[in-house]
Amino acid sequence: NAGVTQTPKFRVLKTGQSMTLLCAQDMNHEYMYWYRQDPGMGLRLIHYSVGEGTTAKGEVPDGYNVSRLKKQNFLLGLESAAPSQTSVYFCASSLGQGLWAGELFFGEGSRLTVL
Amino acid sequence: AQKVTQAQTEISVVEKEDVTLDCVYETRDTTYYLFWYKQPPSGELVFLIRRNSFDEQNEISGRYSWNFQKSTSSFNFTITASQVVDSAVYFCALGLGNRDDKIIFGKGTRLHILP
Repeated sequence: NAGVTQTPKFRVLKTGQSMTLLCAQDMNHEYMYWYRQDPGMGLRLIHYSVGEGTTAKGEVPDGYNVSRLKKQNFLLGLESAAPSQTSVYFCASSLGQGLWAGELFFGEGSRLTVL
Repeated sequence: AQKVTQAQTEISVVEKEDVTLDCVYETRDTTYYLFWYKQPPSGELVFLIRRNSFDEQNEISGRYSWNFQKSTSSFNFTITASQVVDSAVYFCALGLGNRDDKIIFGKGTRLHILP
């Protein structure tokens, strides 16, 4: 059981380039999340999805787009990368939301450097 | 609005000492839930506990214990007889009981256990 898988694990981009991070989960979870982790800032929510075909903005959505065309996949896109987007990105999923949803399952993280 | 404050940025203790990590949360909702996650130096995020707002019972799991107090909006985490393997960054997080709401993390507390 793979759980939550993120690809790629590492990527170096030049300013202005675009890229997509893929998150795949095999647990049939409804909810999926993208967080970024920066030193001293903790985990900040970028975008999230409450089900296939839905997306919503988190705390720091600017400069990112997301899509959830299939329930098991949640894509995070950077249309024009900036050095400020250098970070470690974590994807997470959960069975649902609310009091009975259980824990968040995290991927291993994707380290992105924008030069 | 949701907010999680982990006021302790970094803590160092000598092995076998007890240590408490503080978490203070803010929400106007009456139904919510709280998490603690551990991030060891290897970088993955490890689930420790989840607590719903209506369950104020304290919890003990081995050397770990959690004190949930709604009156002070706190969900503190204590490690008894700390070990070097407890060295990590610890995150507290808050989610609301509504279907579309987010899970917000604090900035984390970096814990150093000195041999």
